[in-house]
Amino acid sequence: DTGVSQDPRHKITKRGQNVTFRCDPISEHNRLYWYRQTLGQGPEFLTYFQNEAQLEKSRLLSDRFSAERPKGSFSTLEIQRTEQGDSAMYLCASSLWGGRVGNEQFFGPGTRLTVL
Amino acid sequence: DAKTTQPNSMESNEEEPVHLPCNHSTISGTDYIHWYRQLPSQGPEYVIHGLTSNVNNRMASLAIAEDRKSSTLILHRATLRDAAVYYCILNSGGGADGLTFGKGTHLIIQP
Repeated sequence: DTGVSQDPRHKITKRGQNVTFRCDPISEHNRLYWYRQTLGQGPEFLTYFQNEAQLEKSRLLSDRFSAERPKGSFSTLEIQRTEQGDSAMYLCASSLWGGRVGNEQFFGPGTRLTVL
Repeated sequence: DAKTTQPNSMESNEEEPVHLPCNHSTISGTDYIHWYRQLPSQGPEYVIHGLTSNVNNRMASLAIAEDRKSSTLILHRATLRDAAVYYCILNSGGGADGLTFGKGTHLIIQP
């Protein structure tokens, strides 16, 4: 399968712990996005990269959140000092941007985070 | 990005057409209209997008009002596998930057 993959699929942690999620995009895609989704709501945009450059960060991305894409391929999202309010599904997506419009974003299955 | 308004839920019968409405009265001239859907326990999936003209693809059709203040996603023959939350999204970046999802329409398909 050559779709977007995320690891782990589920993570349970205690409040105050740090967690890190990984996303592997579709191999030729140059843009990678992170979203967060809570129960009953649509996904909320967090940040996105073009290659290794982080081009946009939402105000939802607090100082406890950091994302990297060091070699322009896979990306990691780290949450420091987790809080119960961080419990959500974290979705990754990728797209191939070449300057044209109508760029479809392909989403992964998500990582479900539960903070106890 | 401008805001969209969709019904919370809709119900339809299997093998019948489904028309999912979306209002976007504050749309700007550079906003594209995108539709994504999210099946249970999966990430969202692209359905279709358009700017001014009606669009067709293998999944659905998109009908855009002449004043662009509303649009309708048309599933020509719904199946049980089309049961999902459908999101109507406006994006001035052509869908290439961060998308603003609302709550979407929960489509229920009756056998």
